[in-house]
Amino acid sequence: AAGVIQSPRHLIKEKRETATLKCYPIPRHDTVYWYQQGPGQDPQFLISFYEKMQSDKGSIPDRFSAQQFSDYHSELNMSSLELGDSALYFCASSGKGRTGRDTEAFFGQGTRLTVV
Amino acid sequence: QKEVEQDPGPLSVPEGAIVSLNCTYSNSAFQYFMWYRQYSRKGPELLMYTYSSGNKEDGRFTAQVDKSSKYISLFIRDSQPSDSATYLCAMSDTGGFKTIFGAGTRLFVKA
Repeated sequence: AAGVIQSPRHLIKEKRETATLKCYPIPRHDTVYWYQQGPGQDPQFLISFYEKMQSDKGSIPDRFSAQQFSDYHSELNMSSLELGDSALYFCASSGKGRTGRDTEAFFGQGTRLTVV
Repeated sequence: QKEVEQDPGPLSVPEGAIVSLNCTYSNSAFQYFMWYRQYSRKGPELLMYTYSSGNKEDGRFTAQVDKSSKYISLFIRDSQPSDSATYLCAMSDTGGFKTIFGAGTRLFVKA
C-alpha cells in the first residue's frame, strides 16, 4: 500500500540558508500535518492543512512557512536556518472514513535536516 | 504542565513478559487516542487507534482508554525482542486537526 512520501530523506544546509521539505500524502488523504522531532524528544506539532487551507498552527517559527497544493502535497519552507533547526521533520496524513473524519495519522519516514 | 504525560523509561523486560505502557492527560476534550511505535531513525508507525473510552485488541496488543480518569494504556502480551522500540501515545480532540504526543517510552525486550 502507498505510504506518506517525504523528500529529501537527508538534507545538509548551512546557517542562514533556506530549505524546502516536501510531503506527498497517502492517496485520497486530505489532511497533512508537519512535526519536528529533536534528538531524544517527542514530535512537536508545527502546522496542519485540510483541503489546502491551514487548519491549525503549533510551535512553528515565523521563519518557517508551509502550504498544501491542489494535489494535496505539502511543502515546508524554512528560511534563515539556525543550528537548532537540526531535527527530524515528519509529515503525516489522514483522511475521511465512512462515518466522517478519521483522525489517525500515518507518518512518512521523515527528513533529517542538519544545519552546520 | 504538559497536556499529555508519559514516563520516558527506559523499560526493560524479559522476552515473553506482559508490558504495560501508560499515559495521562489533562484535556477532557480529547476523544481520539492513538499509540505509535517508533524504531530508531524511523517515522512513528500507528499501532492502535481508539475513539472515546473502552478497550481494543489487535493480536498481542490491547489498548484501554479510561476517560473518567484521563488515563490510557497499551498492553503487549508475549513481548518479543522485535517489540523493542519507543512507544508514543497521542491524542486529539473532536476536530482532529492536531495530535498531541506524549514523550514516548523506550522499551527493551531482552531475549
